[in-house]
Amino acid sequence: QKEVEQNSGPLSVPEGAIASLNCTYSDRGSQSFFWYRQYSGKSPELIMFIYSNGDKEDGRFTAQLNKASQYVSLLIRDSQPSDSATYLCATDSEGLVFGAGTILRVKS
Amino acid sequence: KAGVTQTPRYLIKTRGQQVTLSCSPISGHRSVSWYQQTPGQGLQFLFEYFSETQRNKGNFPGRFSGRQFSNSRSEMNVSTLELGDSALYLCASSLDLGSNYGYTFGSGTRLTVV
Repeated sequence: QKEVEQNSGPLSVPEGAIASLNCTYSDRGSQSFFWYRQYSGKSPELIMFIYSNGDKEDGRFTAQLNKASQYVSLLIRDSQPSDSATYLCATDSEGLVFGAGTILRVKS
Repeated sequence: KAGVTQTPRYLIKTRGQQVTLSCSPISGHRSVSWYQQTPGQGLQFLFEYFSETQRNKGNFPGRFSGRQFSNSRSEMNVSTLELGDSALYLCASSLDLGSNYGYTFGSGTRLTVV
């Protein structure tokens, strides 16, 4: 059973701080990883995807992948109240396999 | 550029009935996949279609089926509805098969089975 694990949170950070969201996966053969953001009552929105070990930056977001440790993370710099949402980690394994999501709360 | 369009947005059905949900992908996108989201199980993959062929299938009973048309639009069908089928059904489209292109989700269809 291919699994993706995330801490459900909630993770609370003050406005302007760095939010760090983490994810582990069970299938060593997984190649690609996705971070989605989902606001309450809305559908998931793709934030970033990463395939290679190391860091990938896009604006305030940085995705980090460590295939040896089977670990993916998402850093959100200068967190804003509008970043408050559930963040879903997923890997592509004959269909996206999602973690349960981490609730992020950014307090102003 | 129009996004992924799902219809209807809301449905209420009676146990034992069947239901058909529709998904129109982003123009030019050829891959369509379907997911079920519930509070207890989270987001779970149902199936993926590309070029009118089912390419991958998740771990759901045969009551869940789908198809894709030549214009890439897709439908999913659930027969003999059960109370546990109440969920948000999400469709996602991608430019091509495989994960190199990312997946864009539609707004979903909220199905309630009573």
